[in-house]
Amino acid sequence: GEDVEQSLFLSVREGDSSVINCTYTDSSSTYLYWYKQEPGAGLQLLTYIFSNMDMKQDQRLTVLLNKKDKHLSLRIADTQTGDSAIYFCAERRISGTYKYIFGTGTRLKVLA
Amino acid sequence: EAGVTQFPSHSVIEKGQTVTLRCDPISGHDNLYWYRRVMGKEIKFLLHFVKESKQDESGMPNNRFLAERTGGTYSTLKVQPAELEDSGVYFCASSQEKGLGEKLFFGSGTQLSVL
Repeated sequence: GEDVEQSLFLSVREGDSSVINCTYTDSSSTYLYWYKQEPGAGLQLLTYIFSNMDMKQDQRLTVLLNKKDKHLSLRIADTQTGDSAIYFCAERRISGTYKYIFGTGTRLKVLA
Repeated sequence: EAGVTQFPSHSVIEKGQTVTLRCDPISGHDNLYWYRRVMGKEIKFLLHFVKESKQDESGMPNNRFLAERTGGTYSTLKVQPAELEDSGVYFCASSQEKGLGEKLFFGSGTQLSVL
């Protein structure tokens, strides 16, 4: 199927690390993305990883990719209240018209 | 530089009525996409324009939905007649380049409520 799956909710304390997980289905996917949606705003591209990479780090964000298990994760170090948002995982497939397939989104709540 | 803008931000209509959503992409972006998120579910692809041409409309739910992009600039998505299950957030996105490195820029969405 086309499903990209994520857990719906995650709650962490300010200062802790957050790990948001995603599983995807298409082994032909070449780019995988993390988007952030803050209340009342559109989706903002946070980071992306090419499928021949295992890890990508960008300041407080670390993306890990396990191609064998088709598992992607986003780790946010030192989580702040401003990180509270919905995080969407998306895959980009080379088959068809290169369209993006998004997950359900994970709502991250950061407790002060 | 202005981002992707969508209008209206919210729309509340009754079942059977017509609604038209508008998207203005970033200037110069040939690719324009419509997506929809029904509450608590994934963001689903509706269709893709390249300039004024429909490249892929495989995600359009049924013939009550009509998308246009006259002149290859802004796009409209009309729902006629609207049904209860059409409620959700409709996102528009645009991009400049095509291919695997393409990055989408999203608008803030139109929240459609059909009562």
